[in-house]
Amino acid sequence: DAGVIQSPRHEVTEMGQEVTLRCKPISGHNSLFWYRQTMMRGLELLIYFNNNVPIDDSGMPEDRFSAKMPNASFSTLKIQPSEPRDSAVYFCASSLADNSPLHFGNGTRLTVT
Amino acid sequence: QKEVEQDPGPLSVPEGAIVSLNCTYSNSAFQYFMWYRQYSRKGPELLMYTYSSGNKEDGRFTAQVDKSSKYISLFIRDSQPSDSATYLCATPSGGAQKLVFGQGTRLTINP
Repeated sequence: DAGVIQSPRHEVTEMGQEVTLRCKPISGHNSLFWYRQTMMRGLELLIYFNNNVPIDDSGMPEDRFSAKMPNASFSTLKIQPSEPRDSAVYFCASSLADNSPLHFGNGTRLTVT
Repeated sequence: QKEVEQDPGPLSVPEGAIVSLNCTYSNSAFQYFMWYRQYSRKGPELLMYTYSSGNKEDGRFTAQVDKSSKYISLFIRDSQPSDSATYLCATPSGGAQKLVFGQGTRLTINP
């Protein structure tokens, strides 16, 4: 089991550019989550999917953020246009079912200059 | 008020010490609590979970919930340098799959 795979591990971009973060969940897991971690705010849930369908996107900070899950093995989080305050570590996690543990990837460290 | 509050530390103790990590929560309806451990440059991983109140023990780790004071604790006995990590408490809020996390406490065990 390779675990949750995220790419890229690091992303440095300039303000105004589009950023796409990618995630491959654990095979067989039917829920996928995107979290953001900063020193100031800790770990915050942005959006989660069940069976590829977005269930709750109330944590998405604004319209510049969008997430998709076109199939059970792939999801993207896009920021367009990016801003310096988006700098953070973005984690993807997957789980098997309700009340099952979340399995996190190792994150994408995003720096927007 | 945040739903789960945790002192971010940092906390530094000598090897072999007993470590106590704590969180408070705001909603008395919360019943299911988790502790995640996060090593540097890694994602969080589930360490322990408890349901309702009382203690749960797993090796050197004990998780405790005090619902009367809305207080959850993680104790680490015989702490080791490999326990050095950030520890995050979490609970479902607004849905079984919507975890809210504490800020995380950064712990260092000194050899």
